[in-house]
Amino acid sequence: DIQMTQSPSSLSASVGDRVTITCRASENIINYLNWYQQKPGKAPNLLIYVASTLQSGVPSRFSGSGSGTYFTLTISSLQPEDFATYYCQQSYSGLTFGGGTKVEIK
Amino acid sequence: EVQLVESGGALVQPGGSLRLSCVGSGFTFGSYAMNWVRQAPGKGLEWVASISGGGESSSIADSVKGRFTISRDNSMNSLSLQMKSLRAEDTAIYYCAKGFGVVTKYNWFNSWGQGTLVTVSS
Repeated sequence: DIQMTQSPSSLSASVGDRVTITCRASENIINYLNWYQQKPGKAPNLLIYVASTLQSGVPSRFSGSGSGTYFTLTISSLQPEDFATYYCQQSYSGLTFGGGTKVEIK
Repeated sequence: EVQLVESGGALVQPGGSLRLSCVGSGFTFGSYAMNWVRQAPGKGLEWVASISGGGESSSIADSVKGRFTISRDNSMNSLSLQMKSLRAEDTAIYYCAKGFGVVTKYNWFNSWGQGTLVTVSS
């Protein structure tokens, strides 16, 4: 089974900061990597699919990149509504989520 | 607007059974793969099961294989998860999620329900 490792598991940042979250796959997943945002008490929400395609309605401050085994999610200028937990998910072989990255207010 | 509404969550004893349902609206239900994803209290997301748009193919996570069955009724816009031999570690919020296409492979989840809570405890 493909394992997904996110880092860091949590981070503290200020409004306006540039934030980068990393996701590593245990084997090559080409670009079948998706990113979700989850706020407390809510269902997850798709942000980016196939590594770098922004889901409709998602602000352009979110971007994704990477291929193979290394991927990143970047928030160019953190906004108050972005404080949440972020998950990566591979869909190349089966479906596996990363452990999550909690973005907290500094 | 896509809507997914889950139901059926409850408190059940270890070894018991439960059936979850999800009704979809706002899209052509049978044209999309559907999925179940769960989240234990305070933990991350775990994929549970997927079924293709026509229901001809499905896949189940190893952690629930042999105990959970996914099915769908496209005439009723309905997705189900039959759970048996439930264990304490199955305690979680169970989300229904719509796939981007008709097949389960290379899938991502572009709409989610609000979730239904399953608690396995004596």
